[in-house]
Amino acid sequence: NAGVTQTPKFRILKIGQSMTLQCTQDMNHNYMYWYRQDPGMGLKLIYYSVGAGITDKGEVPNGYNVSRSTTEDFPLRLELAAPSQTSVYFCASGRGDGGYTFGSGTRLTVV
Amino acid sequence: DAKTTQPTSMDCAEGRAANLPCNHSTISGNEYVYWYRQIHSQGPQYIIHGLKNNETNEMASLIITEDRKSSTLILPHATLRDTAVYYCIVRVRSNDYKLSFGAGTTVTVRA
Repeated sequence: NAGVTQTPKFRILKIGQSMTLQCTQDMNHNYMYWYRQDPGMGLKLIYYSVGAGITDKGEVPNGYNVSRSTTEDFPLRLELAAPSQTSVYFCASGRGDGGYTFGSGTRLTVV
Repeated sequence: DAKTTQPTSMDCAEGRAANLPCNHSTISGNEYVYWYRQIHSQGPQYIIHGLKNNETNEMASLIITEDRKSSTLILPHATLRDTAVYYCIVRVRSNDYKLSFGAGTTVTVRA
């Protein structure tokens, strides 16, 4: 049972480049979330999904896009990367009781 | 969602019980108390949650006062691996189950 798998683990992007952060879960959870965590700070919700085909914005959605075509996958797209998007990105999934399972994170640096 | 107040940091001795307080004086009747922890550089880990009764699982115990205005997470026999940031979150179990992570308590377990 792999849980929540995030790829890549590390990435360096140049300003203006784009990339997709992958997130896959094998627990058949309907609920999935993307958070970012800046150094020394708490987690902020970027986007979330309550099921395939349904997504909604969190606290800090600007500069990001998501899609949810399957229950398992919830990719996060960064368009036109900016230094302010340097952060650690965590994906999480849950079955609806508030008990999330988090992935190990993607550490992104934009230079 | 009700606001929570936690101490910024606390130390405890290895092998002793660690009692982590959380104040949530504005909690409403349908809000649950959730606890998560984040070990350095890892994704947050769900610990426990409860509504009004005390709860126990293999990781910890959650004690909620009768008026529900505060709670205590108890790690019965703290180990060095319990060193982490602990988050107390109060949330209504709604149909999106978004959780907001504050600053938490940095717990350091010392040998």
